[in-house]
Amino acid sequence: TQLLEQSPQFLSIQEGENLTVYCNSSSVFSSLQWYRQEPGEGPVLLVTVVTGGEVKKLKRLTFQFGDARKDSSLHITAAQPGDTGLYLCAGAQAAGNKLTFGGGTRVLVKP
Amino acid sequence: NAGVTQTPKFQVLKTGQSMTLQCAQDMNHEYMSWYRQDPGMGLRLIHYSVGAGITDQGEVPNGYNVSRSTTEDFPLRLLSAAPSQTSVYFCASRTGFSGNTIYFGEGSWLTVV
Repeated sequence: TQLLEQSPQFLSIQEGENLTVYCNSSSVFSSLQWYRQEPGEGPVLLVTVVTGGEVKKLKRLTFQFGDARKDSSLHITAAQPGDTGLYLCAGAQAAGNKLTFGGGTRVLVKP
Repeated sequence: NAGVTQTPKFQVLKTGQSMTLQCAQDMNHEYMSWYRQDPGMGLRLIHYSVGAGITDQGEVPNGYNVSRSTTEDFPLRLLSAAPSQTSVYFCASRTGFSGNTIYFGEGSWLTVV
C-alpha cells in the first residue's frame, strides 16, 4: 500500500472535456507537489501547495490542497492534447527530507 | 543549461554484473537523490544525500550503494545486478527545504537479463 494513492490510474478523454485527478493519503503533509512527466523525460514540477485549503491556478489547471493537508486534487478545464502525460503527486512530511510519490495518473487527451 | 545530467541513458546488464549510474548537477544544490520508477508505482526513493559526505537510505535501498564526495556528483552503484532491478532510474537535486522544486535528470533505462 502506497502512502499516497492516486486515482484514477488512467484517464482517456476527448479534447475540450474536463478532468480531475485525486491524490489521497491518511498522513499529513507539510507540502504537496504536482508533477507532469512526458515519455522519455523526467518529471517537471507544476505546482507546490503548502497551506490547508489552498487553491492554486495555472492557466487551465486548478490545484487544491485539502483542509487537513492529507489530500489534493488537480482539475484540468477544457483539456488539450498537449495535456497528455503522466501526472504525479508528491508529498513532503515535516520530519524529514524525503518526498513520497503517488503511483501516477496517466492522462490521454484525444483530438 | 545543464541542470541534472545522468549517464548512461540506456544500459543492458547481465545478472550478477556491477555498474555505476552517474549523476551530476551544476546548480550547487545540497540535496540529491536517486529514484526508480516502475509501472503503476510512481517514483520510489532509493538513496539520498543532504550534502557532501552525508548519505542515507530511502524506501528501497537494498542492492544499491551511493557516495557523495563532492556537492556536484552522486553516483549510484549496483553491486550485483538482478532482474528485479530492471527499471528507469532518475537522479534529482534541490536546495534545502523539502517543499522546494526538485529538478530531475532525463532518466537512465536499465535492463538486467
